[in-house]
Amino acid sequence: QKEVEQNSGPLSVPEGAIASLNCTYSDRGSQSFFWYRQYSGKSPELIMFIYSNGDKEDGRFTAQLNKASQYVSLLIRDSQPSDSATYLCAVNLSSAGNKLTFGGGTRVLVKP
Amino acid sequence: DAGVIQSPRHEVTEMGQEVTLRCKPISGHDYLFWYRQTMMRGLELLIYFNNNVPIDDSGMPEDRFSAKMPNASFSTLKIQPSEPRDSAVYFCASTRGLYEKLFFGSGTQLSVL
Repeated sequence: QKEVEQNSGPLSVPEGAIASLNCTYSDRGSQSFFWYRQYSGKSPELIMFIYSNGDKEDGRFTAQLNKASQYVSLLIRDSQPSDSATYLCAVNLSSAGNKLTFGGGTRVLVKP
Repeated sequence: DAGVIQSPRHEVTEMGQEVTLRCKPISGHDYLFWYRQTMMRGLELLIYFNNNVPIDDSGMPEDRFSAKMPNASFSTLKIQPSEPRDSAVYFCASTRGLYEKLFFGSGTQLSVL
């Protein structure tokens, strides 16, 4: 099992719909979770972080964390073509000395 | 602030040659990371420094790779000798704390022929 796992996609959603991305991680003791967005040919940029169980909202983005089930998700509401990118889940894995470990990313395509 | 600065942006070299990638972190950031990104393996952590000291180099693929951070404002990643399988995008990133937001440089696209 990969330490941080994501569906590679592509996840195709129509403009205005909700995009739902999931990420599972291997270490139950992990405490910090991040979502980065990466446009093609560009570097990753942070869009959300979450430390506590439950939901965290920031604009059109909502991060959801469930430590008992070891998953973190990202919802993108009212998806726009500009949201088309690869979304990387990252976790400070306690089993790896708290290094920030990235999943393989989910490619999202928002169609007008 | 100019952000994390990497050079060169692109590097094309022949197998067996030495390659040196450079990074200037954001001033005041105590942590510096070197990542490698490929389609097959995604974004992999190679090594990270805290206050110029290498903390974890377990991701460095083999002895051909070495990294240094002689001061708080400069780091290098060296590959000697380079091989075609080293072709990837190499990112440098910095942050104030281990659990905080990473700021990435623009990356170096390395092609080893």
